Amino acid sequence: GESVGLHLPTLSVQEGDNSIINCAYSNSASDYFIWYKQESGKGPQFIIDIRSNMDKRQGQRVTVLLNKTVKHLSLQIAATQPGDSAVYFCAETNTGFQKLVFGTGTRLLVSP
Amino acid sequence: KAGVTQTPRYLIKTRGQQVTLSCSPISGHRSVSWYQQTPGQGLQFLFEYFSETQRNKGNFPGRFSGRQFSNSRSEMNVSTLELGDSALYLCASSPTGTGISPLHFGNGTRLTVT
Repeated sequence: GESVGLHLPTLSVQEGDNSIINCAYSNSASDYFIWYKQESGKGPQFIIDIRSNMDKRQGQRVTVLLNKTVKHLSLQIAATQPGDSAVYFCAETNTGFQKLVFGTGTRLLVSP
Repeated sequence: KAGVTQTPRYLIKTRGQQVTLSCSPISGHRSVSWYQQTPGQGLQFLFEYFSETQRNKGNFPGRFSGRQFSNSRSEMNVSTLELGDSALYLCASSPTGTGISPLHFGNGTRLTVT
């Protein structure tokens, strides 16, 4: 497969654990945030998004938390499965700016 | 609905040549963006098009260009290829633009410049 990053931070968890992936964003004017999952050989896949007027949003097995005070995003994955193994990126933008700024990514490794 | 389709999947070119990559967005999506992904620089924004107009451009040299057609399909071109242009080029689409709804990405074109 293709390597999306040679020196990505890695989070290793056991199947069934809860995973938390963190991201510090750069622009205090950003008002829309997205988490993507990228598997080897594929493009980034949308997981969940959140706007700056919210501090928490839940999806299926995933929760995103936004702390605007410290410019921090986190992605929580409940009951992590081997199929969750991938690189996870946070992305930020400002509505109307038409450009996503991506974080460096975190590799999640899930052991059975 | 079919996803974002990028062709070709793989390309090998020689320094100095030019290359054209193609992207078909999700049906009904009018915004198309291009990103370059490398191990060293990560995901970097190239440009975004909406209704055949470029609305934003990233910090890349003029050798990188793009266009969008009336059916929302898009192409990007890289002229006078350099070794450093080797990367995964990703196309993404959304109904109206980046800040309104998430981008949906294709699986990319892997360009290798030798």
